[in-house]
Amino acid sequence: DAGVTQSPTHLIKTRGQQVTLRCSPKSGHDTVSWYQQALGQGPQFIFQYYEEEERQRGNFPDRFSGHQFPNYSSELNVNALLLGDSALYLCASLYRSGNTIYFGEGSWLTVV
Amino acid sequence: ELKVEQNPLFLSMQEGKNYTIYCNYSTTSDRLYWYRQDPGKSLESLFVLLSNGAVKQEGRLMASLDTKARLSTLHITAAVHDLSATYFCAVAGSNDYKLSFGAGTTVTVRA
Repeated sequence: DAGVTQSPTHLIKTRGQQVTLRCSPKSGHDTVSWYQQALGQGPQFIFQYYEEEERQRGNFPDRFSGHQFPNYSSELNVNALLLGDSALYLCASLYRSGNTIYFGEGSWLTVV
Repeated sequence: ELKVEQNPLFLSMQEGKNYTIYCNYSTTSDRLYWYRQDPGKSLESLFVLLSNGAVKQEGRLMASLDTKARLSTLHITAAVHDLSATYFCAVAGSNDYKLSFGAGTTVTVRA
């Protein structure tokens, strides 16, 4: 049983560029959330997807957008990258009626 | 907005001794999570606490929840080097699955 898988694991982008990060949830999980973790800080909630719709959103600008596909996988898109977007981006999945929330290994984004 | 405070933020432990990490949160919640994070790695789920008075134990770690005090504790018994990591508590709001994390407690176990 594969856990939460994310890609790519590391990437470097230039200010102003756009990036897409991908996540496949754990088997049987229908809800995907994205978090941003800056160095030395706790993860911050970006948004959550369920039934292909954004259900909750944290305090992030519209440059951050996402999508969930019918197979429950998800993408996080960030436009007009800023240096401050450099962070570890974590995908979390859960089954809507369950309680345990599992995290993927993350995507390290460096903006130069 | 749900706020989560952990203390201490840094904890230097001596092998064989017992320690406690505290997690306070600001509003009603029905789920509290503890995660471990090793440097450069993702979050490993340790415990999910669902009700007042809940206590869970795994090896040298024991977590408890007091919903009336809005407090959870993570107790470490007889610390060993392998427990060196950053520990996060996270709280889910009532009826939702958004996690609010504390700042983390960085634990270093010395001989």
